[in-house]
Amino acid sequence: EAQVTQNPRYLITVTGKKLTVTCSQNMNHEYMSWYRQDPGLGLRQIYYSMNVEVTDKGDVPEGYKVSRKEKRNFPLILESPSPNQTSLYFCASSPTWDSLLPGEQYFGPGTRLTVT
Amino acid sequence: SQKIEQNSEALNIQEGKTATLTCNYTNYSPAYLQWYRQDPGRGPVFLLLIRENEKEKRKERLKVTFDTTLKQSLFHITASQPADSATYLCALDMISTGGFKTIFGAGTRLFVKA
Repeated sequence: EAQVTQNPRYLITVTGKKLTVTCSQNMNHEYMSWYRQDPGLGLRQIYYSMNVEVTDKGDVPEGYKVSRKEKRNFPLILESPSPNQTSLYFCASSPTWDSLLPGEQYFGPGTRLTVT
Repeated sequence: SQKIEQNSEALNIQEGKTATLTCNYTNYSPAYLQWYRQDPGRGPVFLLLIRENEKEKRKERLKVTFDTTLKQSLFHITASQPADSATYLCALDMISTGGFKTIFGAGTRLFVKA
């Protein structure tokens, strides 16, 4: 089944304790992206990757890191989590089209992170 | 400043009617505009994509229009059903330095009453 998977689905952690949220897709998509979703603010893009070893900042990259060493995986790293990073996180992937731009995005099920 | 706005109030309609949702934006030049459906606690699901040089796209009971002069997209669900109740998100896709960015609106909640 074509899908985007994220792990863990739920995580409660403490301020300053490094964590990684994994994202994997089995559709051979070039484009991958991370979003956070907060009430009233909608989805905000954290980082995206056009292909392996190519990443760029979205609108809210502060406090996050990413890497894209393989096409299928795009982990999100919080080196020193803070309470303002408590949020619902979504990973997404997309095929690229004729103009090499991404098209429709396929989202993972989400990771609910609480930082105390 | 750059903004993307969707109806912040929930939309309540009767089953069988057409639901029309609005997405307005300022100071963006999108290459594409997309519409997604999101159910509570779940990831968004892609519905339709329309390019900047297209005026209208249809898929079954769904129709989206895109007016780059007005900077507005309208999303229509005809013959609405209670199962269409969800939050609908619009997203702008833009070419940016180094790649491609996506900006989402906050979404509009739709309730379809039987």
